[in-house]
Amino acid sequence: QSILTQPPSASGTPGQTVTISCSGTGSNIVSNFVSWYRQLPGTAPEVLIYRNNQRPSGVPDRFSSSESGTSASLAISGLRSEDEADYFCATWDDSRGAPVFGGGTKLTVL
Amino acid sequence: QVQLQQSSPGLVKPSQTLSLTCTISGDSVSSSDAVWNWIRRSPSRGLEWLGRTYYRSRWYRDYAKSMRSRIIVDPDTSKNQFSLQLTSVTPEDTGVYYCARSATFISGWFDSWGQGVLVTVSS
Repeated sequence: QSILTQPPSASGTPGQTVTISCSGTGSNIVSNFVSWYRQLPGTAPEVLIYRNNQRPSGVPDRFSSSESGTSASLAISGLRSEDEADYFCATWDDSRGAPVFGGGTKLTVL
Repeated sequence: QVQLQQSSPGLVKPSQTLSLTCTISGDSVSSSDAVWNWIRRSPSRGLEWLGRTYYRSRWYRDYAKSMRSRIIVDPDTSKNQFSLQLTSVTPEDTGVYYCARSATFISGWFDSWGQGVLVTVSS
């Protein structure tokens, strides 16, 4: 029962664009920056997006994000087989005074 | 480049104390620009933030409400490390534990992560 709600799974074929949603409340996504992480099996999460739409150096512009009200979305364009991983959203929650995460979305590239 | 290296305790018995350390290279645990966190991932709870420590003229420690009665996160400036102690563990505390740095105080942005260590709570 994560604070932020993500679909448990998503899929797409190579070259497609896939969107992963992250739903929160007025105490988190509305008022704070959202980050997105990718986690490959057996490795630590790595940040793809921070401060809503900033990408660290080395993260391709195939990864983009957007926010609307209490929700955020991660879009992956030009889908590749190596994009198969778990994806998490995260932000700060004002009522909890703590960072909160989504439950994660397992992306399968068909 | 910041690197975080975690110790690996492995198996912990129920009711005992889980202890982990995270050694920092490329930054200082006393940095006024960093916050040092513990996060875990488990099948039942997903990613869960546990607690943090940071230095802003003095040391601060913040904990997840659900952990507050049995968690301590401490800095060790002599070794440039920070640690996690979780007392009275149960099988529900089984998971992969990560240390992570955040560069901002109020944020879900963790820019450097340790490799993660699997902790199993079992008799």
